[in-house]
Amino acid sequence: DGGITQSPKYLFRKEGQNVTLSCEQNLNHDAMYWYRQDPGQGLRLIYYSQIVNDFQKGDIAEGYSVSREKKESFPLTVTSAQKNPTAFYLCASSRIGQGGYEQYFGPGTRLTVT
Amino acid sequence: RKEVEQDPGPFNVPEGATVAFNCTYSNSASQSFFWYRQDCRKEPKLLMSVYSSGNEDGRFTAQLNRASQYISLLIRDSKLSDSATYLCVVNAGFDTGNQFYFGTGTSLTVIP
Repeated sequence: DGGITQSPKYLFRKEGQNVTLSCEQNLNHDAMYWYRQDPGQGLRLIYYSQIVNDFQKGDIAEGYSVSREKKESFPLTVTSAQKNPTAFYLCASSRIGQGGYEQYFGPGTRLTVT
Repeated sequence: RKEVEQDPGPFNVPEGATVAFNCTYSNSASQSFFWYRQDCRKEPKLLMSVYSSGNEDGRFTAQLNRASQYISLLIRDSKLSDSATYLCVVNAGFDTGNQFYFGTGTSLTVIP
């Protein structure tokens, strides 16, 4: 079964703790992305990566970190520096090409920090 | 100015109605265009890509007007199962890092 997996589906943490969200894809896509979605709002880009060992900040990278050590994996760490971490986190991937390709999403992780 | 703008709605329509959603984008160099569907508390799922010539998939028709930087989605014979949020998505192209830009979504509720 090809696709993108994210784990866990729900995550609860205490304020001040770092937490890592997993994202794995077996679609052989070069590009991977992390987005955050807050209730009633659109998707906002946190980080993206087009190639292994390289990634770029998106619009709201502060308080987050990522790594891309393998093509299929792009974990996101939400650090204690992130002021409002409670949100729905979505990982996505796509092929890369001049014409542009569609993006596929994982099922998401709902993070609640109290 | 936002990269992608769309009317948030909500659109409340009776079953069987035809409904149209519109979207505009600001970057004239944008390469590819999509409509996604997002159900409540779920991930977005690709509904259809949008081509310059227009394309149809069953009850759904998408149109792209590059000159006006405008994208549309038409849903005919609405079903209850069409109730969802519809996201307009634009890919800025390889030269800009293959970034995707999302509208905030248009909410559709189909009423029995």
